[in-house]
Amino acid sequence: EAGVAQSPRYKIIEKRQSVAFWCNPISGHATLYWYQQILGQGPKLLIQFQNNGVVDDSQLPKDRFSAERLKGVDSTLKIQPAKLEDSAVYLCASSLAGINEQFFGPGTRLTVL
Amino acid sequence: SQQGEEDPQALSIQEGENATMNCSYKTSINNLQWYRQNSGRGLVHLILIRSNEREKHSGRLRVTLDTSKKSSSLLITASRAADTASYFCATARSFGNEKLTFGTGTRLTIIP
Repeated sequence: EAGVAQSPRYKIIEKRQSVAFWCNPISGHATLYWYQQILGQGPKLLIQFQNNGVVDDSQLPKDRFSAERLKGVDSTLKIQPAKLEDSAVYLCASSLAGINEQFFGPGTRLTVL
Repeated sequence: SQQGEEDPQALSIQEGENATMNCSYKTSINNLQWYRQNSGRGLVHLILIRSNEREKHSGRLRVTLDTSKKSSSLLITASRAADTASYFCATARSFGNEKLTFGTGTRLTIIP
């Protein structure tokens, strides 16, 4: 079974630039999550989708972050404009409907200079 | 915000020894999960324990949950070099597609 795919794996940008991350969840997983993991900390949920609807985006900095999940499958997370404090690993996870266990992708390591 | 706090923040043991790490959380939960994260990789689910369970085993892993103290422990027996990783507890307030709130993690190093 293919796992959660993410790209790119690494990205370096300058502050005020824009960046986008892509995630392809495990086939059949209705729920998709984006987490931000700052070095030395645990992951923090940014946004949760159920199919293509948003379930929870309470911790998403909406002035600069946006996310979409077209057709309830792939998802993109965008930051515009980036700040230095956005340097982190961005993790995508997915889960089956009604199941708590989440499957994580390898993450995208973002460095903002 | 982080729901849980893991203790210790870092742990180094000799291969073959047992490793114990603890997690404390703040609010009521439906279940608690443990995840492992190897350097530079995503998280891998290890085990889930529900709020009405007190202990659960999976291979070399043993998890306990004390809801009265809002704490959990993860025991890894007969540690191996491949167990070197960061371990996170994560809590869910309800069962289903509930978001997970992660702790701060314990960095475990197994010395060969």
